[in-house]
Amino acid sequence: DGGITQSPKYLFRKEGQNVTLSCEQNLNHDAMYWYRQDPGQGLRLIYYSQIVNDFQKGDIAEGYSVSREKKESFPLTVTSAQKNPTAFYLCASSPGTGGFEQYFGPGTRLTVT
Amino acid sequence: GQQLNQSPQSMFIQEGEDVSMNCTSSSIFNTWLWYKQDPGEGPVLLIALYKAGELTSNGRLTAQFGITRKDSFLNISASIPSDVGIYFCASPETSGSRLTFGEGTQLTVNP
Repeated sequence: DGGITQSPKYLFRKEGQNVTLSCEQNLNHDAMYWYRQDPGQGLRLIYYSQIVNDFQKGDIAEGYSVSREKKESFPLTVTSAQKNPTAFYLCASSPGTGGFEQYFGPGTRLTVT
Repeated sequence: GQQLNQSPQSMFIQEGEDVSMNCTSSSIFNTWLWYKQDPGEGPVLLIALYKAGELTSNGRLTAQFGITRKDSFLNISASIPSDVGIYFCASPETSGSRLTFGEGTQLTVNP
C-alpha cells in the first residue's frame, strides 16, 4: 500500500535528550513537511523539503533539525534546545511541482518530562 | 503573510443535522483544500477545488470554491457520529511550496 508512515505512535523522553522522529513515504513524492500541533490548535510548519538534499525553515524551526538524504525519508530531530517539545508531530508529503495536495502520516505524540 | 479565517471555531450539533462551515481570506487563491482530522490521527484530504464557482461532492460532503476566489464553504448533510473531528481548510501560498492552513472547525455530533 502507498502511504506515509511515522513511527513510533507514542514517544517518551526525558528533558535534555535529543529525539528523532521517523517519517517515510512510498508515494514517490518530491516534497515533504513537518508540522507541530498542540492541543486544540491548528498546524504549524516546522521544516519542509522540496527536493533531496535541500530543506527550508518553516514558521517554528527553532530547536528542531532535519535531513533529507533520501527521497522517501525526512527525519525530524527535536533537540534539547526546544523549550516546549511535548506535542503531536505530523509529517506530510506532496507531489511537488504541479501538485499541491499534502498527504499526512498518522502522527507521533511526543511527551517530554 | 496569507491568512485563512475559518468559522465557526466549534460546532455542537445533533445527529442528523446538516452542517455548514466556511473559510475566508483577504487574498485570492487558486486552489482550496478541505481536510478532516480524526482525534489522535493525521488529517485526511476530503475535497480539492481548483476553479472559482466549482461545486464538488464527496458522499455527504459538498464543498464550493467561492466566486470571489477569497472563500470556500464545506457542507455536511445528515451528520453522523463519525463526522466528529477537526475540519481544516488550506490553500497553497503564492510560491506553491507550502500550504496555508485555517485554524480549524471542531465538530461534535451528539447521538
